[in-house]
Amino acid sequence: AQTVTQSQPEMSVQEAETVTLSCTYDTSESNYYLFWYKQPPSRQMILVIRQEAYKQQNATENRFSVNFQKAAKSFSLKISDSQLGDTAMYFCAFVDSSYKLIFGSGTRLLVRP
Amino acid sequence: KAGVTQTPRYLIKTRGQQVTLSCSPISGHRSVSWYQQTPGQGLQFLFEYFSETQRNKGNFPGRFSGRQFSNSRSEMNVSTLELGDSALYLCASSLRGSSPEQYFGPGTRLTVT
Repeated sequence: AQTVTQSQPEMSVQEAETVTLSCTYDTSESNYYLFWYKQPPSRQMILVIRQEAYKQQNATENRFSVNFQKAAKSFSLKISDSQLGDTAMYFCAFVDSSYKLIFGSGTRLLVRP
Repeated sequence: KAGVTQTPRYLIKTRGQQVTLSCSPISGHRSVSWYQQTPGQGLQFLFEYFSETQRNKGNFPGRFSGRQFSNSRSEMNVSTLELGDSALYLCASSLRGSSPEQYFGPGTRLTVT
């Protein structure tokens, strides 16, 4: 069965600094997608970034980028120039041909002013 | 383009009652998935509907059911409510295929007393 593990329950970063959130996953599938979602206190789940497993190039969306290591089954999220609005729960998620999203347990990120 | 909408946003029910939640996907999205979010179990997949057919189902009892209409709107029903059904229920829509990312609605907060 596919699993997603986020080993950092909470993290804290100073505004304008860079922070990296970790995620590992386990699957026997060869074709899948990975995502990072953000859930602020409003509870609205927001898609931050996506990565296709067959693409070696790491995805980037403005201040957000990933480090995708397929062989190690690792998928970390780097947030550059952290802003107060980045304070949220961040979930790593996996989907394969079943279209069933498997989520990690989440990392609570606090951006300090 | 309008996002995913869910109604109602908040609901209080008594144990033993039943409840129906509604979800309208992003225009053009034919896949609708439902997730349950609780502090203890995290985010868990309930089921996915595509073209009015249930395509996948999570590990939930038969009290949890759903359906999808020809306009892709979906409803989720929970019968014989239990205290443990108190949760945030999230609906997500997707194009599937090469765009499997799921976009979430604001959720329905269900409290069972």
